[in-house]
Order: sequence, then structure tokens, then C-alpha cells
Amino acid sequence: DIVMTQSPDSLAVSLGERATINCKSSQSVLYSSDNKNYLAWYQQKPGQPPKLLIYWASTRESGVPDRFSGSGSGTDFTLSISSLQAEDVAVYSCQQYYGTPYTFGQGTKLEIK
Amino acid sequence: EVQLVESGGGFVQPGRSLRLSCAASGFTFDDYAMHWVRQAPGKGLEWVSGISWKSGNIGYADSVKGRFTSSRDNAKNSLYLQMNSLRAEDTALYYCAKDVGEEWTDGLFDYWGPGTLVTVSS
Repeated sequence: DIVMTQSPDSLAVSLGERATINCKSSQSVLYSSDNKNYLAWYQQKPGQPPKLLIYWASTRESGVPDRFSGSGSGTDFTLSISSLQAEDVAVYSCQQYYGTPYTFGQGTKLEIK
Repeated sequence: EVQLVESGGGFVQPGRSLRLSCAASGFTFDDYAMHWVRQAPGKGLEWVSGISWKSGNIGYADSVKGRFTSSRDNAKNSLYLQMNSLRAEDTALYYCAKDVGEEWTDGLFDYWGPGTLVTVSS
């Protein structure tokens, strides 16, 4: 199985500041035939189900604010929030869909400082 | 608007069975694969099972293989998870999730239901 490891486990950032969350996979999730990274990011607010934010490592889902961005390739990925808003308080999880079983990171809890 | 609503969760003793359901609306159900993903209390997300649009292909996590069975009724826009031989470690919030593609091997989940809680305890 591909193990997904996120860092940090929790993060406190001031409103308007940048938040950065990292995700590392135990093997590459870059598929050579299409040159795509099979990596997604989800946001889970308290008491709510996960919401798809980003797929193919850097493509924003429709309706997701452009302050959210994803980057990285191969085994190392980053989710960035350029200017933290109060409504961004949530747990963020990465997921690989390169191979089965699909696996998620343990989650990073983002709070306001 | 896409809506997924799970039901059937509850409190059950180890070794017993439970059947979860997921009612889908707002999209053409039989065009997409569907999945079950669970989240144990205070833990991360764990993919459980996926089923392709025509039910011909189904996949399971090793942790549930041989005990859980996924099925779907496209005429009723419904997804099911039959859970047998339940264990304490199956205690979790079970989510139904829609795939972006037809096959469960696509593995990208664009809509999720609110979940149904399964508690396995004596």
C-alpha cells in the first residue's frame, strides 16, 4: 500500500497569513503515461464530510477559492492557502488515487492563531 | 444538486451484521462508480470499497475483504454495504462517496454524504 504522511499534524496561522501543509507518499504517484500526479486534497470542516479541493495535485475543483493552491510532483506535495480566512479552519487530508487501496494522509488540523 | 444520504448505522455487537444504504440524487447515478470510505473516531479516512457503474467490478480494502459486500441498485439510485462478522475496529463513521468516473479504479471522490455511524461493541 502507498503510505501518505502529512506534516505538520496541526498548524496555527494568523488571519491573512499563508498556511502550508505538506504530504509525502511512500512511492511516486506520478503516472508516466499521462504525466499526471494522482494526488488530491480534501477539506473537512467540523461535523461535515470531506470536500474535494484539488486534484491532479494542482487543479482546483470548481468553486474552490483561488487562495487554495496545490503543488509538487512524484512523492512530495504541498497545499497552500495564500491568505487564511476564518472559514478555512478545518482538517486537510491528501489522498493518492494512483493505486488501490486508495490511501489518505492522517490529516492536518488548521486553526487560527 | 448532488445529494448522498447514508442510513442503516447503529450499535451492534461483535460478530453481528449490519447493512448500510446510500440514497443518491441530483446526478445520473448509473454513470458513475461509487465508494464507501470510513473514519474511525479521531482518526483519518480509510477507503473501504468501490463499485463500478455496472456493478461488474468491485474492490475492497484488505481489512474488510471477505466480510463486507458492496452492491448497487441503479434503478433505485442506491448503494449498499453489507457488513458481516463485525469487529470493534470497524467502529467508524461510514461515508458514501461519488467517483468522478465510471470505474471504481478511478478513485477520485467529488461528492460525499454526511455519513452514518457504526458502533461495534459488546
